[in-house]
Amino acid sequence: DQQVKQNSPSLSVQEGRISILNCDYTNSMFDYFLWYKKYPAEGPTFLISISSIKDKNEDGRFTVFLNKSAKHLSLHIVPSQPGDSAVYFCAARSDSGAGSYQLTFGKGTKLSVIP
Amino acid sequence: GAGVSQSPSNKVTEKGKDVELRCDPISGHTALYWYRQSLGQGLEFLIYFQGNSAPDKSGLPSDRFSAERTGGSVSTLTIQRTQQEDSAVYLCASSAQGPLSYNEQFFGPGTRLTVL
Repeated sequence: DQQVKQNSPSLSVQEGRISILNCDYTNSMFDYFLWYKKYPAEGPTFLISISSIKDKNEDGRFTVFLNKSAKHLSLHIVPSQPGDSAVYFCAARSDSGAGSYQLTFGKGTKLSVIP
Repeated sequence: GAGVSQSPSNKVTEKGKDVELRCDPISGHTALYWYRQSLGQGLEFLIYFQGNSAPDKSGLPSDRFSAERTGGSVSTLTIQRTQQEDSAVYLCASSAQGPLSYNEQFFGPGTRLTVL
C-alpha cells in the first residue's frame, strides 16, 4: 500500500519553462513533506520541505505547494534549467514515537529539461 | 568536510551467501538511516539509529537483515543467506539531531548489490 505516490514516472520540459512535479499521499498524520533530488550514481540530496501547517514554501527557483484537503503537493521549478534534469523524490515524514522520524518516499519522477 | 561514504560501491554475490555493507556517516551526525531502492521503486526505509537509543528496526523485511552501529559512528548492514530479491541499491543517510534536522538527510552514493 503506497502512502506516497508519484504518478508520473517522467516529465520533459523546455529550458526556461516551468516544471511541475506532483505527489499524492494517503496518511493524514504526516507532519512534513519533502522533495529530494537524485542524479545518477549519487545519493539523493535534500531540496525543500514544507510543514503540514503551511500551504506554500519558496526557496529561489523552487516552490512547494501543499493542498491538505486534497492530500496533494507539488514542486514548481521556475525557470527550469538543464542542470535540473534528475529524478525527484517526494517524501513524507511521520513520527514513529520516542523522537524517531521516518521518511516515506515515492517512486520518483525523472525530469528532463531540454535545452 | 567529507560526506557520507559507503563501501563497497558494488557487490556481486551468489544466492545463499552473507554480505556486509558499510556506512561512514558525517562526523557529528547522531542519526543514521538505511534504505534500499529496488528497480523501479522508491526508497524503502530499513532501519534507523539515533544516538544511544534502541534502533527503529520496523523496516527490516526479514530476520535475515540486521544492522549495527558501533561507537555511534560507523554502521554495518548485514544480509544473511542472500536471495535474488535482495538485489537493490542500499543507501545510507545521516542527519544531525533535532526535529527539523531529521528532514535533511545526507545520503551516501549507495552500494549496488546483485545476487546471482
